[in-house]
Amino acid sequence: GQQLNQSPQSMFIQEGEDVSMNCTSSSIFNTWLWYKQDPGEGPVLLIALYKAGELTSNGRLTAQFGITRKDSFLNISASIPSDVGIYFCAGQLDNAGNMLTFGGGTRLMVKP
Amino acid sequence: DSGVTQTPKHLITATGQRVTLRCSPRSGDLSVYWYQQSLDQGLQFLIQYYNGEERAKGNILERFSAQQFPDLHSELNLSSLELGDSALYFCASRGQNTGELFFGEGSRLTVL
Repeated sequence: GQQLNQSPQSMFIQEGEDVSMNCTSSSIFNTWLWYKQDPGEGPVLLIALYKAGELTSNGRLTAQFGITRKDSFLNISASIPSDVGIYFCAGQLDNAGNMLTFGGGTRLMVKP
Repeated sequence: DSGVTQTPKHLITATGQRVTLRCSPRSGDLSVYWYQQSLDQGLQFLIQYYNGEERAKGNILERFSAQQFPDLHSELNLSSLELGDSALYFCASRGQNTGELFFGEGSRLTVL
């Protein structure tokens, strides 16, 4: 089946630093999604990408859909303590209802 | 608030027992997905329903079953519970013609 490799698995950074994480796949996807999960909560959608090469921003977050359709990255600029959480990438082949495949998550810790 | 409602939020039970987790999708959404998240793990896809019919199956154990009712709410039944079934169980719904999943806050199951 499809596999998503998400890296790094965890990051411990200083407040104010920029953060970068990425996902790679052995298969192509037509949709890439990035979610954030706070402890004990459900994942919340941050950014959705629908076109290869697409670069989308949401406040301090920027994500890109790789041109090969096999990868995506998420950048967070000027991190703040509330950025702490687990970030998941997810890929989907189409919008016909096929399940999303999730990466293993990147645990972000921010030191004030 | 994602609009996806899950109950109960917490559940503690003993090995060998059976529990039912309930999910109401966002208003207008026809698809319901169930995911399992064990401690510090990623999201494992269990099963998907679309308008009352099973659409896709993931790594769902035979001891687990689910259904989606005419009013579109869904129930996940977990039976002959084992210690390893302790996890967060998330339900998500998907808007029509989009690839985005919206997650509930999860049901935390503890099997003692």
